[in-house]
Amino acid sequence: NAGVTQTPKFRILKIGQSMTLQCTQDMNHNYMYWYRQDPGMGLKLIYYSVGAGITDKGEVPNGYNVSRSTTEDFPLRLELAAPSQTSVYFCATRGRSDGNTIYFGEGSWLTVV
Amino acid sequence: AQSVTQLGSHVSVSEGALVLLRCNYSSSVPPYLFWYVQYPNQGLQLLLKYTTGATLVKGINGFEAEFKKSETSFHLTKPSAHMSDAAEYFCAVIFRNSGNTPLVFGKGTRLSVIA
Repeated sequence: NAGVTQTPKFRILKIGQSMTLQCTQDMNHNYMYWYRQDPGMGLKLIYYSVGAGITDKGEVPNGYNVSRSTTEDFPLRLELAAPSQTSVYFCATRGRSDGNTIYFGEGSWLTVV
Repeated sequence: AQSVTQLGSHVSVSEGALVLLRCNYSSSVPPYLFWYVQYPNQGLQLLLKYTTGATLVKGINGFEAEFKKSETSFHLTKPSAHMSDAAEYFCAVIFRNSGNTPLVFGKGTRLSVIA
């Protein structure tokens, strides 16, 4: 009963490095999302996907890329990390079959130095 | 434009007192409405949701919220605050007339409970 699994939980990157945040779900949900959370700013949508092979930009997509080759996986790629990308990242899924409830992963804390 | 507003970035109550956290949305079509709670250094947990039907919704940990269409509000309440309620609370909305527009969050309200 894993739900939404995010890895890694913590990571420190140097400026200019790249990395991928992994997100996997076992609920067969079509909708998947990546949010970032900054203090006092709520959650802002980075990218989302309505199904395998389909992705779209959210509110703050610059500096990030995503792919959705399978229903289960929705990795978030950071290219050329910048200090402004220091944040907490949450992956989420949405299931229409249970009232459109959004299920969140436990978060990934990323620091860029 | 469609938006979600949480009034008050920080609310402080005494233990045993009423908790009231305010959320208003702007939309001509009643949306789906959610409240999430986030404890320090943790993810988001669903407290309750409104999609259709009864406008008074009961959630976990003694919280409830009432959807008021005329006021475009979905305020969260709890009759008696407990120390363990101290956390960040987020109101979130899915605007139904926006195609695939996903969940939109308010900026959050931090609840402090004073002994």
